[in-house]
Amino acid sequence: AQSVTQPDIHITVSEGASLELRCNYSYGATPYLFWYVQSPGQGLQLLLKYFSGDTLVQGIKGFEAEFKRSQSSFNLRKPSVHWSDAAEYFCAVVLYNNNDMRFGAGTRLTVKP
Amino acid sequence: DTAVSQTPKYLVTQMGNDKSIKCEQNLGHDTMYWYKQDSKKFLKIMFSYNNKELIINETVPNRFSPKSPDKAHLNLHINSLELGDSAVYFCASSLGLAVTDTQYFGPGTRLTVL
Repeated sequence: AQSVTQPDIHITVSEGASLELRCNYSYGATPYLFWYVQSPGQGLQLLLKYFSGDTLVQGIKGFEAEFKRSQSSFNLRKPSVHWSDAAEYFCAVVLYNNNDMRFGAGTRLTVKP
Repeated sequence: DTAVSQTPKYLVTQMGNDKSIKCEQNLGHDTMYWYKQDSKKFLKIMFSYNNKELIINETVPNRFSPKSPDKAHLNLHINSLELGDSAVYFCASSLGLAVTDTQYFGPGTRLTVL
């Protein structure tokens, strides 16, 4: 079945540590790929997106993501996490020529002082 | 100024009631969306409108009826509310028609059906 998977439900990291959030998709073709962040009590905010070209994508707030076709993955990274990064992170895909955005189940990030 | 606003922020109601959630965007965008986020944080698109015209209509019970009086507003009316309708509903907007355009989300409306 076509899907987008975020294997980690909850991740805890120390402030200043590096972060990687995983996202995998299972579609026949490469979809358009997105990462959104949802701070507590807020709506979603787009961090970055990948359509084509350079597989390393830079986003807002110091985030980046790397598309790896061989692994059907689009993992989100940040070299040094700040307390304000504590939030829920959603990976999303849109299949080419389709107007349906599918979201993963989300990964909740907790940042320890 | 808030870009995408929703009212109310919280809505508690009884089963069988009819309720509406309002959404307004002041970004000048042409497309607006409604999403439902269930208790497990699973987010799914429900509808999208472009310039007051329905574009996306996912498999949603016909108790849910979006209404767009103008391109800055997309309201969601729900008839005969059921327990399973309890969720957070997000409105969003984007400049273009494609769902791949950057979407700007409202803060959400938490609906609780008792």
